[in-house]
Amino acid sequence: AQSVTQLGSHVSVSEGALVLLRCNYSSSVPPYLFWYVQYPNQGLQLLLKYTTGATLVKGINGFEAEFKKSETSFHLTKPSAHMSDAAEYFCAVRISSGSARQLTFGSGTQLTVLP
Amino acid sequence: EAGVAQSPRYKIIEKRQSVAFWCNPISGHATLYWYQQILGQGPKLLIQFQNNGVVDDSQLPKDRFSAERLKGVDSTLKIQPAKLEDSAVYLCASSWTGAKNIQYFGAGTRLSVL
Repeated sequence: AQSVTQLGSHVSVSEGALVLLRCNYSSSVPPYLFWYVQYPNQGLQLLLKYTTGATLVKGINGFEAEFKKSETSFHLTKPSAHMSDAAEYFCAVRISSGSARQLTFGSGTQLTVLP
Repeated sequence: EAGVAQSPRYKIIEKRQSVAFWCNPISGHATLYWYQQILGQGPKLLIQFQNNGVVDDSQLPKDRFSAERLKGVDSTLKIQPAKLEDSAVYLCASSWTGAKNIQYFGAGTRLSVL
């Protein structure tokens, strides 16, 4: 079975500062990895995904993430935070083979951007 | 393209009452998912449909929860009877078939059980 751990349930950064949200996964087979963002009272929106190929993945709104197999990590970064980035972020893993291919989410990281 | 539609957006009921949620996926998406998101947690899959068949319902509390997708398009999720711990946001998502495919989420139904 696969699992996801997001380190830090709350992260605060100043506007213009680097955003780093941490995600570690556990999977017995090669994983597909996703970052979703959730704004208040809205559903989840995909930021980016890693399936195969290039390990550095670029997403929407200036976010990117790097798949590091040796560290079983998929951390989300953005060079310069904007006020509009304030939201909850979820990392998710899905195994790439077999019958049980459900999406398993981490518990989320609430990002606050300070003026 | 229209997104995943869910209704109602909010529902307040008393424990032991029944409630139903409706979801209409993106047109053409064969796979439909229902998730439960408890406050402070990530979404947890309740049930996955492929067309009108159930693929995975291993985490669905079948003594009180039921779901159907009779015509392979829209779906309903029912809770009968509701418990206090069922208070959560119920999210519906849909996708094309295949593990690489993105799941698109609706805005959810926020259920409060008093």
